Amino acid sequence: AQKITQTQPGMFVQEKEAVTLDCTYDTSDPSYGLFWYKQPSSGEMIFLIYQGSYDQQNATEGRYSLNFQKARKSANLVISASQLGDSAMYFCAMRGTMDSNYQLIWGAGTKLIIKP
Amino acid sequence: DSGVTQTPKHLITATGQRVTLRCSPRSGDLSVYWYQQSLDQGLQFLIQYYNGEERAKGNILERFSAQQFPDLHSELNLSSLELGDSALYFCASSVKAGGPTGELFFGEGSRLTVL
Repeated sequence: AQKITQTQPGMFVQEKEAVTLDCTYDTSDPSYGLFWYKQPSSGEMIFLIYQGSYDQQNATEGRYSLNFQKARKSANLVISASQLGDSAMYFCAMRGTMDSNYQLIWGAGTKLIIKP
Repeated sequence: DSGVTQTPKHLITATGQRVTLRCSPRSGDLSVYWYQQSLDQGLQFLIQYYNGEERAKGNILERFSAQQFPDLHSELNLSSLELGDSALYFCASSVKAGGPTGELFFGEGSRLTVL
């Protein structure tokens, strides 16, 4: 069965430091997509970055990059030069299989707190 | 701004009542998804519509129903409300009907409190 695992329930990081949020996944599908979303305390769910399983290069979006290691089935989110506004819940998600109509499968999330 | 609009943003009601949550997808997106997020929990997929037709069903209670209209906006109806229905309800949209790729864009959510 497909599964997303985020092993860090919470993290404290000093402002301006880089942050790595862990995400491992399990799937037998050769084609899949991996996503990261940010949920600030205000509640909205903000799309950050996407990685396709066949993409040769790691995805980057501004200060966000995805460290995609296919053989290890990991898709860690790296935030460079963290800011106070990065404090939020971060969710890793994966598109499911055709059997599940490709619905997103979500990890439990990591609560990131940036310290000034 | 994701381009997905949800109303109302906040809603307080009593047990046994019925409410309707509304969602307008991003321009050009044909798929609409509804999710429920209870306190300190992840997202639970409820239902998906594509171009007016139900595409996929998740853990949606029988007391809940949804539809997508010809103009592609969608409504989620919650009836016989219980305390446990208190949650943040998200609508999301995407261009595609399905497939392993393609991100979802979420609205700001409708926070429902049942007293």
